[in-house]
Amino acid sequence: GEKVEQHESTLSVREGDSAVINCTYTDTASSYFPWYKQEAGKSLHFVIDIRSNVDRKQSQRLIVLLDKKAKRFSLHITATQPEDSAIYFCAASRGQQGTGSKLSFGKGAKLTVSP
Amino acid sequence: DPKIIQKPKYLVAVTGSEKILICEQYLGHNAMYWYRQSAKKPLEFMFSYSYQKLMDNQTASSRFQPQSSKKNHLDLQITALKPDDSATYFCASSQELGGIEQYFGPGTRLTVL
Repeated sequence: GEKVEQHESTLSVREGDSAVINCTYTDTASSYFPWYKQEAGKSLHFVIDIRSNVDRKQSQRLIVLLDKKAKRFSLHITATQPEDSAIYFCAASRGQQGTGSKLSFGKGAKLTVSP
Repeated sequence: DPKIIQKPKYLVAVTGSEKILICEQYLGHNAMYWYRQSAKKPLEFMFSYSYQKLMDNQTASSRFQPQSSKKNHLDLQITALKPDDSATYFCASSQELGGIEQYFGPGTRLTVL
């Protein structure tokens, strides 16, 4: 089955700097790559996603890059703010009906943004 | 108003007992899921349902049984509880199955003693 590796387990940045979280996946059939944010003691909150028909997507301060050849995708958070502090999970799925809908998650990366 | 309700928020059970975790979504979605998050393992997919039909089951143990009595309900029955079942169980939903955003509920934190 799909294995998603999240390379950074923790990262710390200063407010205003950029943060990058990298993930790799193994299933060449994966085509949907969402990112979720989890604040302490809370549930997962969707932040952004990318599909395999594009290699870049931006939503305000969030940029997702996808390199299908390397089976790698990354989340870039620009102009970080203290409220960006959370655990970020990358995930992958085949983006299909049936067994293709399940999300396989990375282990999470704890981002700390200090003022 | 919360769009996905999970009950209870916290649950303590003894080994060998049976519990039911409740999930209701008010997003009008047709697909629902269960995931599990524990200290030992990352977020782990368990089940997916579409229009009240089981579509995918990645849980090896038959002790975990999803139940969908209504289109917007997907409960999870767990029998013969073990300490290893201790985890936070998240219900999620999406408009349809497939590569689209899944919305997660607040979770039920289960502790098995």
